[in-house]
Amino acid sequence: QQQVKQSPQSLIVQKGGISIINCAYENTAFDYFPWYQQFPGKGPALLIAIRPDVSEKKEGRFTISFNKSAKQFSLHIMDSQPGDSATYFCAASRWGKLQFGAGTQVVVTP
Amino acid sequence: DSGVTQTPKHLITATGQRVTLRCSPRSGDLSVYWYQQSLDQGLQFLIQYYNGEERAKGNILERFSAQQFPDLHSELNLSSLELGDSALYFCASSAHPGQASGANVLTFGAGSRLTVL
Repeated sequence: QQQVKQSPQSLIVQKGGISIINCAYENTAFDYFPWYQQFPGKGPALLIAIRPDVSEKKEGRFTISFNKSAKQFSLHIMDSQPGDSATYFCAASRWGKLQFGAGTQVVVTP
Repeated sequence: DSGVTQTPKHLITATGQRVTLRCSPRSGDLSVYWYQQSLDQGLQFLIQYYNGEERAKGNILERFSAQQFPDLHSELNLSSLELGDSALYFCASSAHPGQASGANVLTFGAGSRLTVL
């Protein structure tokens, strides 16, 4: 039973475009929502994170939007670059135990 | 380099065998987590240790066991291996055991790829 549902499974975006990845969760006890980025042959690395008392957080070209009432959150990658091609995982945490979404493979074409 | 060291990077073994994966956490981190990543299951939390003590347990099979030693390195033991155990096994570390509310930033190693033939 997956506690965090992530979509789409994959997406292709042109350079300069916007990538949007969506996640939904069930457990309202989750109190920390990070996004991890994983390149082939590497472990996941923290990209950006948000707490449920904040509706939006922006770091450079990456923005998290959080909708507590809908139990949904999303990652927006603005001005996507070929170097952003990777697998992105959303996660939800309680007591430090991360529940990951299934991942989204993003391919940015030149 | 994330600071979390995992060995071996690759391991090929046969069904029924036993293997041990090793993890050294980032300097100063007391908590170690093990995750399994397979194509059809994504990243699955297996187990967490904090300062030598088991802290949380996830979907870890009874054939699997782990421990964290006084020097804080951790080992994941996989026994009676089956074809379905083929996966990437990640170790992650964090400074804290996890708090009721707040961020707990996990730093992942590069993983150990296990292939069971």
